[in-house]
Amino acid sequence: ETGVTQTPRHLVMGMTNKKSLKCEQHLGHNAMYWYKQSAKKPLELMFVYSLEERVENNSVPSRFSPECPNSSHLFLHLHTLQPEDSALYLCASSHRPTGPQGANVLTFGAGSRLTVL
Amino acid sequence: GEDVEQSLFLSVREGDSSVINCTYTDSSSTYLYWYKQEPGAGLQLLTYIFSNMDMKQDQRLTVLLNKKDKHLSLRIADTQTGDSAIYFCAAGSYGGSQGNLIFGKGTKLSVKP
Repeated sequence: ETGVTQTPRHLVMGMTNKKSLKCEQHLGHNAMYWYKQSAKKPLELMFVYSLEERVENNSVPSRFSPECPNSSHLFLHLHTLQPEDSALYLCASSHRPTGPQGANVLTFGAGSRLTVL
Repeated sequence: GEDVEQSLFLSVREGDSSVINCTYTDSSSTYLYWYKQEPGAGLQLLTYIFSNMDMKQDQRLTVLLNKKDKHLSLRIADTQTGDSAIYFCAAGSYGGSQGNLIFGKGTKLSVKP
């Protein structure tokens, strides 16, 4: 158990469906992240929430919509996705450093494998 | 922005040492990290090093940092078949992006018996 739980582990959806990915952490962390992992590409940082406020949105298409209702839960709402959105979506959490002397150690979930048909 | 580069594959024999290399572009990176990903799992932190250090050792793992060349390496001593996985290098800097980590593509380590 990594401390970060993602559900579902596998999801197959059509391009017209609406689905959500869920992430939960009970590590007392104050920041949560969504990363996209595609084959032969670096991990892409999608969204960052710090203290439940979105602090980063890396030019992600609007068909991906994050939600962070509290510091322990993070969702990624999906609608009208494209086949190229098929990937492993990783959630992570951390205790973000308040100064340059602190490392930002991310704890990752096992990921949600998304296939868009 | 930050760019992190790694070779994609490394193959070693069981018992040998493995050395995985990484280069990064942002000289203001304050921490460099190594993560491991096994099949069907998320990323697991192995170790990290602060940019004012040039070496860190933790059991079979040795991290070397050449800040001048922006080069990081991970050495695994006495590599075992259980070390077969993808290893990711990541760089983070404090400042505008508040420690967001930028990852490389990962190096797939294959250990042959």
